[in-house]
Amino acid sequence: DTAVSQTPKYLVTQMGNDKSIKCEQNLGHDTMYWYKQDSKKFLKIMFSYNNKELIINETVPNRFSPKSPDKAHLNLHINSLELGDSAVYFCASSHGQGRGNTIYFGEGSWLTVV
Amino acid sequence: GQQVMQIPQYQHVQEGEDFTTYCNSSTTLSNIQWYKQRPGGHPVFLIQLVKSGEVKKQKRLTFQFGEAKKNSSLHITATQTTDVGTYFCAGPSRTSGSRLTFGEGTQLTVNP
Repeated sequence: DTAVSQTPKYLVTQMGNDKSIKCEQNLGHDTMYWYKQDSKKFLKIMFSYNNKELIINETVPNRFSPKSPDKAHLNLHINSLELGDSAVYFCASSHGQGRGNTIYFGEGSWLTVV
Repeated sequence: GQQVMQIPQYQHVQEGEDFTTYCNSSTTLSNIQWYKQRPGGHPVFLIQLVKSGEVKKQKRLTFQFGEAKKNSSLHITATQTTDVGTYFCAGPSRTSGSRLTFGEGTQLTVNP
């Protein structure tokens, strides 16, 4: 069983569309994240939730809205997609929000905006 | 804010050569973690260092944490094609709470 699973894995869409990426973890972790990885492989944290509560919200456009219905799920909705949103989006989770927690990443969602 | 810098950004080696990537933080780190991302894959946790001056080994990989806990290195001895990928260091700082900051990564290619 995949520990952190996200869907879809690949997404090609036109500018202006709205899309969602879903994420689920079965590790029993309290904290979940969304990371964005650009073409240069830079990993940037976007959001972090702990027990459904938003704890990190980086400087991300308002078009990006995370939602955590329960601590095992963290979805990402993107409105009015732009070309610059093309990237790989990784969902991740960790046991807690402590400083030594290992982060477990999902397999990534490859978003291409055309 | 905290910055974690990693060098080099790219490294090309012949199979059998050694490889080292360096990680430097602008602030003291309570611990440092290393991750590996294979091409087309996702980052996978390798190891965590906590103590000042700590050295840990995993087969051909040697990880070091600096005495001042502001820098770290990953050394691979006699690289193999299976070592190909991007290596990231990541560290939370004492002042950044739960935030884990990743370095820019070092992309390693190994020519057979």
